[in-house]
Amino acid sequence: QKEVEQNSGPLSVPEGAIASLNCTYSDRGSQSFFWYRQYSGKSPELIMFIYSNGDKEDGRFTAQLNKASQYVSLLIRDSQPSDSATYLCAVNRGGSTLGRLYFGRGTQLTVWP
Amino acid sequence: DAEITQSPRHKITETGRQVTLACHQTWNHNNMFWYRQDLGHGLRLIHYSYGVQDTNKGEVSDGYSVSRSNTEDLPLTLESAASSQTSVYFCASGPGIAASTDTQYFGPGTRLTVL
Repeated sequence: QKEVEQNSGPLSVPEGAIASLNCTYSDRGSQSFFWYRQYSGKSPELIMFIYSNGDKEDGRFTAQLNKASQYVSLLIRDSQPSDSATYLCAVNRGGSTLGRLYFGRGTQLTVWP
Repeated sequence: DAEITQSPRHKITETGRQVTLACHQTWNHNNMFWYRQDLGHGLRLIHYSYGVQDTNKGEVSDGYSVSRSNTEDLPLTLESAASSQTSVYFCASGPGIAASTDTQYFGPGTRLTVL
């Protein structure tokens, strides 16, 4: 079982819709969770991180964490064509691996006008 | 402004040659990482360092080496380049202070082609 699993997509939503990206992880002791956005041909850039159960909002982005279900999601409200990218979920397991992130393979999102 | 840079941005080399990819960060971060990214595999960790003189193997370390002689730099060396090492290489750094806030910031990447 991979450390971090994401649906590869592609996920396609119309402009203005809510895009929902999902991620599951295998290590129950994982401490913090990150979402990166990667445009084609570019490097990953951090969108947001979360480490407490519940929701965390930042502008049009909301990260949701459920540690009991080992599930983290990213909601993008009022999706724009400029949101079209691959979204990477990453997990920090903490402990002896402090600072090391385990990445999923990413979900490709397309927002069509 | 603090940043992380990689050089060269593009490199073409021949099988069997030694290649070194540079990574330099001005964040004063303790942690530095090297990844490769290939279609169908996502980001795979090659080597990482938690501080000066510290290096650790990642999941795909065979054929690669790193050394950390100062805080700012973590060069990646391909001892004898192979066609299977054609990839995009990303360097990243992170503060390495606390798990709750620890993250990684990526450099722009180096596209390496081994002929």
